[in-house]
Amino acid sequence: AQKITQTQPGMFVQEKEAVTLDCTYDTSDPSYGLFWYKQPSSGEMIFLIYQGSYDQQNATEGRYSLNFQKARKSANLVISASQLGDSAMYFCAILRGNEKLTFGTGTRLTIIP
Amino acid sequence: DTGVSQNPRHKITKRGQNVTFRCDPISEHNRLYWYRQTLGQGPEFLTYFQNEAQLEKSRLLSDRFSAERPKGSFSTLEIQRTEQGDSAMYLCASSFQGSYEQYFGPGTRLTVT
Repeated sequence: AQKITQTQPGMFVQEKEAVTLDCTYDTSDPSYGLFWYKQPSSGEMIFLIYQGSYDQQNATEGRYSLNFQKARKSANLVISASQLGDSAMYFCAILRGNEKLTFGTGTRLTIIP
Repeated sequence: DTGVSQNPRHKITKRGQNVTFRCDPISEHNRLYWYRQTLGQGPEFLTYFQNEAQLEKSRLLSDRFSAERPKGSFSTLEIQRTEQGDSAMYLCASSFQGSYEQYFGPGTRLTVT
């Protein structure tokens, strides 16, 4: 079984500051993928970034980067230069093979102007 | 717009009634997933299809739930004899077999009164 733990139910960050959202995972599979999704109040899940378990370098997508520490089973999301539009729920998820995603409980991020 | 679409976006029904939701995946995608998201939680996997074949069902999918994907195109999720505990957002996602990224639709929010 796979499990995702997000320990920060909510975070408040000043606009333009960087923010780190925590995610730890548990899996016995040697091959897996880690994801971060953003869910605004409209409800749609928006893909942000992906990290494969065998990728040597941390993934980056624009202002998003994934701090992947395999030995610690950690996959934190870093958002640089936060913007008001970043206010949303953020979910970490793990994928085994190409099957189902297992999500964490999410972190509600609020950017303060 | 060629993204994943779901209909209806909102559904209010009385306990005991049957409801059916529809998901239209991205046209080239042969995998289709259903997830359920209750308030304050991350999405939970319900079932997935590869083409028209239903390959896995979660134990969350009681015998009141049935999903189909005739001809490997759109999918329907039916809930019979709805209960208040069925109130949730029902999310659909699609992907290519062999691709890690799942593209989500906007969801159908079900309220059972």
